[in-house]
Amino acid sequence: GQQLNQSPQSMFIQEGEDVSMNCTSSSIFNTWLWYKQDPGEGPVLLIALYKAGELTSNGRLTAQFGITRKDSFLNISASIPSDVGIYFCAGQLRGAQKLVFGQGTRLTINP
Amino acid sequence: DTAVSQTPKYLVTQMGNDKSIKCEQNLGHDTMYWYKQDSKKFLKIMFSYNNKELIINETVPNRFSPKSPDKAHLNLHINSLELGDSAVYFCASSQGDRANQPQHFGDGTRLSIL
Repeated sequence: GQQLNQSPQSMFIQEGEDVSMNCTSSSIFNTWLWYKQDPGEGPVLLIALYKAGELTSNGRLTAQFGITRKDSFLNISASIPSDVGIYFCAGQLRGAQKLVFGQGTRLTINP
Repeated sequence: DTAVSQTPKYLVTQMGNDKSIKCEQNLGHDTMYWYKQDSKKFLKIMFSYNNKELIINETVPNRFSPKSPDKAHLNLHINSLELGDSAVYFCASSQGDRANQPQHFGDGTRLSIL
């Protein structure tokens, strides 16, 4: 069953606004990865997090590995039109060999 | 210079047919994956191979059979296609067999069953 809850499912914002999305679980994760998927393409890795409390930035994107190891968030500052897409969190459960993905957050930007 | 390439990009076929999707990666990775993305965009792993050996085999119908001729290729054959098989299938690769290694995805194969 679904082990990751990603929210919100969709966001409609104005260009220039900041964006925040998160993933939560009742299980402990060893790794959190954030991906972006553009229409007609495969997911592309944005940020990888490996330690509880880790805060990592990639340009205007910032992601954090929650202290409890059960959650992670992704922030996008000063959004621009090319930020449009679907953002996925993915995590490796402790002891597991595979990644589980969140349901995705669809970001739409009004010019 | 595409890192993970899948063919075909689009596949439209009738129920009951057998079809194959091919995947190749030129990243030098030794682990490859197949994912299924449904109409709600939910991504779920199907199979994973490390150095041509099957390491993940999720609950997938036997009609789906992966084959890895070498560590740069992972193909997916589907027998007796059903309506519910309509989805986007993504191939991915990573270095090493640990799940925490970043995975690089292909652009997907859009399978539509008539």
